Amino acid sequence: DTGVSQDPRHKITKRGQNVTFRCDPISEHNRLYWYRQTLGQGPEFLTYFQNEAQLEKSRLLSDRFSAERPKGSFSTLEIQRTEQGDSAMYLCASSPGRGYYGYTFGSGTRLTVV
Amino acid sequence: GEDVEQSLFLSVREGDSSVINCTYTDSSSTYLYWYKQEPGAGLQLLTYIFSNMDMKQDQRLTVLLNKKDKHLSLRIADTQTGDSAIYFCAEGNNDMRFGAGTRLTVKP
Repeated sequence: DTGVSQDPRHKITKRGQNVTFRCDPISEHNRLYWYRQTLGQGPEFLTYFQNEAQLEKSRLLSDRFSAERPKGSFSTLEIQRTEQGDSAMYLCASSPGRGYYGYTFGSGTRLTVV
Repeated sequence: GEDVEQSLFLSVREGDSSVINCTYTDSSSTYLYWYKQEPGAGLQLLTYIFSNMDMKQDQRLTVLLNKKDKHLSLRIADTQTGDSAIYFCAEGNNDMRFGAGTRLTVKP
């Protein structure tokens, strides 16, 4: 297993465009998390899934943000009508879901909105 | 709301011990964590401590937890230049909360 994979590594987009990021978790992990990290800050929780069920989404930053995990494997995070303030690193993590032994993070997708 | 706070910078000499401190506000977390982030890389789980413990040792790492004061610390013994990174304290269950990170610089 190669760990948590995120694609793309970098994305530059024009303000107003939609973007979608993909995360492939560790295959035996049934929990998947999305976080956002801005410069000089720690990661900020956005949402998480247990298998295909999205169990917490109230912390998504606005209704422009949505996430899916249709078959309980990979997940996508979409940002519609991007704004310059959306520029950040978007991190995905996964965990086995038994106990709370921390997450395995991916390397992230760096979004720049110009 | 819940907050996790850390000092932003720490500088030590190679071979010395480093101590990174963290305070948190939410007492409902089952575990508390330390993560390490190197430049251009994702966060790597270093160690964690169950909330009912007050100390955990793992090779060069010692975690101390004072639950009454909501204070967590990470001690790195014999600090090496390869330990230079940003260290994040985190607490929570499924919606983990992170501090802003402590940048550790190790001077030769």
